Amino acid sequence: KQEVTQIPAALSVPEGENLVLNCSFTDSAIYNLQWFRQDPGKGLTSLLLIQSSQREQTSGRLNASLDKSSGRSTLYIAASQPGDSATYLCAVRGSQGNLIFGKGTKLSVKP
Amino acid sequence: EAQVTQNPRYLITVTGKKLTVTCSQNMNHEYMSWYRQDPGLGLRQIYYSMNVEVTDKGDVPEGYKVSRKEKRNFPLILESPSPNQTSLYFCASSPTSGRDTQYFGPGTRLTVL
Repeated sequence: KQEVTQIPAALSVPEGENLVLNCSFTDSAIYNLQWFRQDPGKGLTSLLLIQSSQREQTSGRLNASLDKSSGRSTLYIAASQPGDSATYLCAVRGSQGNLIFGKGTKLSVKP
Repeated sequence: EAQVTQNPRYLITVTGKKLTVTCSQNMNHEYMSWYRQDPGLGLRQIYYSMNVEVTDKGDVPEGYKVSRKEKRNFPLILESPSPNQTSLYFCASSPTSGRDTQYFGPGTRLTVL
């Protein structure tokens, strides 16, 4: 059964710092991996989608990489800002179309 | 505007009183799904539908029902809600069950007393 783990569970950094969030999964048979952002009490905003055949995707200050063989993905945030404070969720898509989520990394960027 | 909508956004009810949470998407997506989010457990899939009249159980289907009579709508039905169904519920859709991005609704916060 697929399991997704995100480390660390929480992270606090000063504004301007570059940071890396980690995601690992146990079964490499995935269609894709998606990174989401969730603000407190709110819905999920899709940040980046990496297909299983891709190595990375970039959007603005965000860069996500995927190493399917080792079951790992990283989300790199450059020059962090207080507005980046949120919970970041990693999810892998299985053969039934379902997303299996990690429990998230709660990021706090201090001014 | 392309979106997934859910109603109601907030609901407080009592044990045993049947309720329905509606979900609608205007993107002509084939695949729709319901998730629940609980502290410490993360997001887990309840039911999904690959197309009209095709539904199947996810990881935590007990106590829930769904139907998919039209492509755009995928209601979640709690026939006899219990306090352990107090949760934050999300509906999601995607063009197919394959390699597409899933789009999420704003969530429904349900409290069962």
